Parts: sequence; structure tokens; C-alpha cells
Amino acid sequence: SSELTQDPAVSVALGQTVRITCQGDSLRSYYASWYQQKPGQAPVLVIYGKNNRPSGIPDRFSGSSSGNTASLTITGAQAEDEADYYCNSRDSSGNHPFGTGTKVTVL
Amino acid sequence: QVQLQESGPGLVKPSGTLSLTCAVSGGSISSSNWWSWVRQPPGKGLEWIGEIYHSGSTNYNPSLKSRVTISVDKSKNQFSLKLSSVTAADTAVYYCASRDIVVSGPYYYYYMDVWGKGTTVTVSS
Repeated sequence: SSELTQDPAVSVALGQTVRITCQGDSLRSYYASWYQQKPGQAPVLVIYGKNNRPSGIPDRFSGSSSGNTASLTITGAQAEDEADYYCNSRDSSGNHPFGTGTKVTVL
Repeated sequence: QVQLQESGPGLVKPSGTLSLTCAVSGGSISSSNWWSWVRQPPGKGLEWIGEIYHSGSTNYNPSLKSRVTISVDKSKNQFSLKLSSVTAADTAVYYCASRDIVVSGPYYYYYMDVWGKGTTVTVSS
């Protein structure tokens, strides 16, 4: 199956740490990439590969992977991190489905 | 830095064909990237539609495959999406994106690092 499942919503206190998970069979073979999307805006790549951040992405964003689960961690969450987050991964057929998305609220 | 810009009709009639184009600037469509389409219905998540390589090779979402055609025009440095037999369920913001790949040892990292701003398409009579 190429489905990627995420928790619908998580909340985090300002300055604390939050982990967002993504589960799917394809993650046993391929790394996930992670995207941040704020209302009315296009998605922005925040993490790809083992734990790589594009230029301009703060180092409070990090990624990890174990078995069929990929994780995005925000260490010291800021108000501007409130957004929807999506994982994405290649599957065995060469398709690139997205996860179901997680809404992160910063309290 | 590559930039992408979607264009096309904002309103399509039911049973008609949705046609969008993504113009690539600041780089060549004949680079090593794959060129993707992603959509997002109102209030819902991202859905990968498919992608094309400059050689013409394509990958499509199995759930849309029977209705989707993605093509590339190297002379105009752009790629296009056609979605046939549309219904209200195809109403969405449509994004084009560039998918890159990095090889790190035995691993391949796939990611979409450049996105267009998106264009809204409404299916309605």
C-alpha cells in the first residue's frame, strides 16, 4: 500500500517540542520529505532525506525515520510554525503520494 | 533559481476537460528534475496527480490515471496537465512543482523543492 497516515492535529506550547509522525509501508524503503503549508500559501519543503534542511529552513526542524514511520520534530516551536504539515514519499510503483496531513497549533 | 507559474482557465464545466500549463523560468525543463502536478480541494489535503520527465516519461496517481495526461513542451520550457471528464470533486487549487533527487550513498532522496503559487480551478456549470 502507498498510503501515508498522519495524526490529524497536534498542539504544542510555545518553545516546547513537538513530533509529527507519518506511517506507511513505503517508508521502509524510501525516506520521506516534509512540507509546511500555511493558509492560502503553497507548500514549502522543510526536510528531505535522512535529515536535510533546505537553505533558509531553521535548524529547529529535524527529521528521522525508523521502520515504517517517519517523523518531523520541531524543537522550540515558534508561533510562525503553526501550519499544516504533510509528508511525501516515493512508493514501489514510482508514485509520490502525500500523507493525510497534520495541523500543528502553537499555544 | 527555478520559478514556476501555473496558468489556465479558472472555471471548467462538468464533463469537460481541465487544462493547465506550468511555465518554467530560471532553468531548463530538460534538467534532471521531474515536473509534477499536485492539487488541493477546498479544506482538504494535498493530492499528488502525477509527473513527467523531459524525455516524456510519466508517472500518474492510480486513482486519476484514466483521466490524466501530463505533457512537456521543451520549445516553450513548460509542461501541461489535462484532466478529462471533470466533476465538482475536481474543484481545487492546482500546483505545479519541481521534483529533485539526491543520491547519498545507497539512498535516494526525493523531494519537491520548488512550487508554483497555485491556481484555483472551479468545476461548475
